[in-house]
Amino acid sequence: GENVEQHPSTLSVQEGDSAVIKCTYSDSASNYFPWYKQELGKGPQLIIDIRSNVGEKKDQRIAVTLNKTAKHFSLHITETQPEDSAVYFCAGSGGYNKLIFGAGTRLAVHP
Amino acid sequence: DTGVSQNPRHKITKRGQNVTFRCDPISEHNRLYWYRQTLGQGPEFLTYFQNEAQLEKSRLLSDRFSAERPKGSFSTLEIQRTEQGDSAMYLCASSFGENTGELFFGEGSRLTVL
Repeated sequence: GENVEQHPSTLSVQEGDSAVIKCTYSDSASNYFPWYKQELGKGPQLIIDIRSNVGEKKDQRIAVTLNKTAKHFSLHITETQPEDSAVYFCAGSGGYNKLIFGAGTRLAVHP
Repeated sequence: DTGVSQNPRHKITKRGQNVTFRCDPISEHNRLYWYRQTLGQGPEFLTYFQNEAQLEKSRLLSDRFSAERPKGSFSTLEIQRTEQGDSAMYLCASSFGENTGELFFGEGSRLTVL
């Protein structure tokens, strides 16, 4: 089955800097790769996703890149703000019917 | 659209007791998922329903766990003879469509087994 590994587990940046979180997946059949943000006491919320027929997708300050050959994908956040502080999870579509999540990255943005 | 609703939000129980969690998905969402999340980890897949049919169960779901979605709307997750290792956040999510897409998560039900 699908296995998703995520790095780093914690990331600390200064406000205005960029943040990059990387994930690798094992199942070459996976075709959907979302990123979720989870704030304290809340459920995860989708922030951006990408399908395997696309190499890059951007939405304002966030972007995701996908390298199918290497089986890795990354989340890029530019011009970070304190409200970006949260735990971020990547996921892969193991078995086409469910998402398999990485262990998460705790991002802290310092003013 | 009121989002995915989970009840209760918190449950404290003694080891050996049974507990039941309820999830009300976004109306018209045909898929419903249960995940478990422990501190510092990502959500772990437990099971999923398409309408009322339970189509997949994780190996994590021992025979003490049972989930139902009797009319294809709300779902319940029951844990029998709880153990301390069952302490976790139980997340419900729903989605619409035939292929894997965005999951809309509830705020979770936190279980503490003493």
